[in-house]
Amino acid sequence: AQSVTQPDIHITVSEGASLELRCNYSYGATPYLFWYVQSPGQGLQLLLKYFSGDTLVQGIKGFEAEFKRSQSSFNLRKPSVHWSDAAEYFCAVGAQGDDKIIFGKGTRLHILP
Amino acid sequence: DTAVSQTPKYLVTQMGNDKSIKCEQNLGHDTMYWYKQDSKKFLKIMFSYNNKELIINETVPNRFSPKSPDKAHLNLHINSLELGDSAVYFCASSQVGADTQYFGPGTRLTVL
Repeated sequence: AQSVTQPDIHITVSEGASLELRCNYSYGATPYLFWYVQSPGQGLQLLLKYFSGDTLVQGIKGFEAEFKRSQSSFNLRKPSVHWSDAAEYFCAVGAQGDDKIIFGKGTRLHILP
Repeated sequence: DTAVSQTPKYLVTQMGNDKSIKCEQNLGHDTMYWYKQDSKKFLKIMFSYNNKELIINETVPNRFSPKSPDKAHLNLHINSLELGDSAVYFCASSQVGADTQYFGPGTRLTVL
C-alpha cells in the first residue's frame, strides 16, 4: 500500500542550529515527492518538490531535500533555522497519473531561542 | 490576488445545524479538493473534483456533500452537524491529481 511516514511527531532545535526532518515513503511507481509547511493558523505552502532529475532539490526559505531511492527517503534539511521556521511540516507523495497525493502525519518543529 | 480562497474563515454553530463552506480558485486548475485537519494536525482527504466531476470520495459520512458549479468552485455542505465535525477544513487545487496542490487558508469549524 502507498504510504508516507514521518517518524518524528515533534522536533526541537535551537535557533541557528541545523535541521533535518525525516520522510520515508512506500510507493510502487517512481514517486513525485513534496514538502509543505503550515504556519500556525495558516494553510499549507509548498516548500519544494521532486519530480525527476537532480536528486538534491532546493526550495524556498533556504530549505533543501534529497531524494534517496535506495532508502525510500526524502529528508528535508536547513543549515541554520530561524525562529520563524517554527511550524508543522508535511511530506507528501504521488505519482504521474495519480488522482491525489498522500500526506504524512506531519512533524511539528519547535525552535529554542 | 488570492489563489485559493475560502469563506468563511471561522464558523461556529450548534449541533444539528446545516452549514456550507465555499471555495474558489483563480489558478485555472482542473482539480479541486476538500481536506479535513483534526486537532492533531492529521490531514485527511475528503473529496476531489476534476472539471466538475467527482473523482475521489473517501469514507466520509453522507452528511457531507460537495458541489462544484464550475471548475473554479467547490463548495462543501454539511447537514446535521455533529461535535466530531469540529476541525479545520481546507480547500486545495491542482492542475492534475499528483501535481503541486495550492491550499486555501482554511475554515475553522466549531460545533457546540
